[in-house]
Amino acid sequence: QQQVKQSPQSLIVQKGGISIINCAYENTAFDYFPWYQQFPGKGPALLIAIRPDVSEKKEGRFTISFNKSAKQFSLHIMDSQPGDSATYFCAASFAGTYKYIFGTGTRLKVLA
Amino acid sequence: DARVTQTPRDKVTEMGQEVTMRCQPILGHNTVFWYRQTMMQGLELLAYFRNRAPLDDSGMPKDRFSAEMPDATLATLKIQPSEPRDSAVYFCASGLGAQETQYFGPGTRLLVL
Repeated sequence: QQQVKQSPQSLIVQKGGISIINCAYENTAFDYFPWYQQFPGKGPALLIAIRPDVSEKKEGRFTISFNKSAKQFSLHIMDSQPGDSATYFCAASFAGTYKYIFGTGTRLKVLA
Repeated sequence: DARVTQTPRDKVTEMGQEVTMRCQPILGHNTVFWYRQTMMQGLELLAYFRNRAPLDDSGMPKDRFSAEMPDATLATLKIQPSEPRDSAVYFCASGLGAQETQYFGPGTRLLVL
């Protein structure tokens, strides 16, 4: 019940295309959903985050779509660029807690 | 440019040896996390501290792993004795509180032969 399931495991997209990464959860007590981006040899870094009171959040080319009834959320990268090639992790946490439950990660490669 | 620092960046050791990894959290951050990353298991939370007190170390193998915060500027993760299955990248992260951004360090890549 505390798992966050992430798919796909890997993704190859052409430059300019849309990258879509999906996550699903079971526990409805989760109320904060961040996405982290990790480049090779680096630690993960916060990319964008959403709470379940909104269905969408956009920051530049990155958009989180949230479907509370389906218990799913997804990251959309518009106009994907080779510089977006990285591993992306979704995560979830409960109100008032410090710990995140991370998904298994999606390795994205954007072809030039 | 505030950032989390970790030492060493790379460590190669033989099975049975003690390994100590160090982390300097961002100044002013009162929450520190230790994660382990492997291809098979992804990112696993090992332990975390709030105001230097351990809040949860349930993710850590207790018989060989220990985590401490001797002071607000230093967190340590020790493995004794180390085993080949401990080979992974160990990340430290710090933050300001519940559901706040976690800032990750560059990691310590550990290889146990």
